[in-house]
Amino acid sequence: DTEVTQTPKHLVMGMTNKKSLKCEQHMGHRAMYWYKQKAKKPPELMFVYSYEKLSINESVPSRFSPECPNSSLLNLHLHALQPEDSALYLCASSFAGGAGGANVLTFGAGSRLTVL
Amino acid sequence: AQSVAQPEDQVNVAEGNPLTVKCTYSVSGNPYLFWYVQYPNRGLQFLLKYITGDNLVKGSYGFEAEFNKSQTSFHLKKPSALVSDSALYFCAVRHDRGSTLGRLYFGRGTQLTVWP
Repeated sequence: DTEVTQTPKHLVMGMTNKKSLKCEQHMGHRAMYWYKQKAKKPPELMFVYSYEKLSINESVPSRFSPECPNSSLLNLHLHALQPEDSALYLCASSFAGGAGGANVLTFGAGSRLTVL
Repeated sequence: AQSVAQPEDQVNVAEGNPLTVKCTYSVSGNPYLFWYVQYPNRGLQFLLKYITGDNLVKGSYGFEAEFNKSQTSFHLKKPSALVSDSALYFCAVRHDRGSTLGRLYFGRGTQLTVWP
């Protein structure tokens, strides 16, 4: 299995809703990432988990809450979002050890979020 | 500061002609350099990377890139473009060799259009 699977593919939510994005991989990767991407822009790093522990939080607002329940799963919990949070949310994974800088990130297809 | 620059927002080329997508980088120390491609409404797909060694790197789908240290460039090339190569291309750099995790800095992206 060489894929990162993200669900749902599309999500529409109101500003008062609570929803979650899910990400799953079975490649044995121990580093997992959340990126946010606006149209025609590069992905922006949000969070990095290494061995199920949060290692990087790029000063993301608390209305985004990540969770890594095990080595294969990564969630992003959403609450009280704003319309400007509408974007494509990409999950990625990679090996975490060894020559970490050389490790390739494998991306999922993304979850397209629309906040009304 | 670590960064990559993609000087062209758009590259247009006729099918069968060679293509070049430009990337220059700025990083302290030795860089890890990557090219990713993104098709509409999809995640990023890895094309190739430069870590060390041979300056000419061959990747997926007939793409290659040449690392030029003196010019701090890592241009993506293909000898004969296909219409199906039309997509958004991102150059990326990582700088923290030896760390298990590192931030991946993306360029702003270059939209490649190959016309029949």
